[in-house]
Amino acid sequence: DAGITQSPRHKVTETGTPVTLRCHQTENHRYMYWYRQDPGHGLRLIHYSYGVKDTDKGEVSDGYSVSRSKTEDFLLTLESATSSQTSVYFCAISEGRGGLNEQFFGPGTRLTVL
Amino acid sequence: AQKITQTQPGMFVQEKEAVTLDCTYDTSDQSYGLFWYKQPSSGEMIFLIYQGSYDEQNATEGRYSLNFQKARKSANLVISASQLGDSAMYFCAMREIHDSARQLTFGSGTQLTVLP
Repeated sequence: DAGITQSPRHKVTETGTPVTLRCHQTENHRYMYWYRQDPGHGLRLIHYSYGVKDTDKGEVSDGYSVSRSKTEDFLLTLESATSSQTSVYFCAISEGRGGLNEQFFGPGTRLTVL
Repeated sequence: AQKITQTQPGMFVQEKEAVTLDCTYDTSDQSYGLFWYKQPSSGEMIFLIYQGSYDEQNATEGRYSLNFQKARKSANLVISASQLGDSAMYFCAMREIHDSARQLTFGSGTQLTVLP
């Protein structure tokens, strides 16, 4: 199994509070991704990174920011959480060296915003 | 337009029978990849099978095979000899070669229930 961990695994927070989710990999993969999963929508890309300090927006980036200061860590921040951000968040990694490599997913973080 | 369409929100199959989960896709790229992932009730995303757009043979991985019909833009997952442990949500996904993000675009999923 690919070495991907996410922390925390579960979090309950209140509207308006900042929240940071962490993804950590031990595979030295170049690409890292944050997705959210909601019923009826599958997984949707929030942000991704293609290297240290290199990030870009995905389909549903509003209200989220990311940072990647080290190859192994990719942080997702909700500056001021809203109830619409209640979701399950998945981190994924990919080698991205060419070809169409599969993505490996972390175990997910269940976030509830009250 | 939806890039990945899974038209079956839920499917039932009898144990030991085969089942086909439908997936159609939309892309103007000539080079792309199609993936299937399994998500059991425990929540993790498990990679099952991959088909490249230039692959001439349908992909197979154990009891999983991908029925790839390029002209119809379909990439159906076939599970043979279903087992109770196959009960899960199944997602079809696509990656397009022109996409510098190399992201996966997912369908909305099919919930498969295997009946004893």
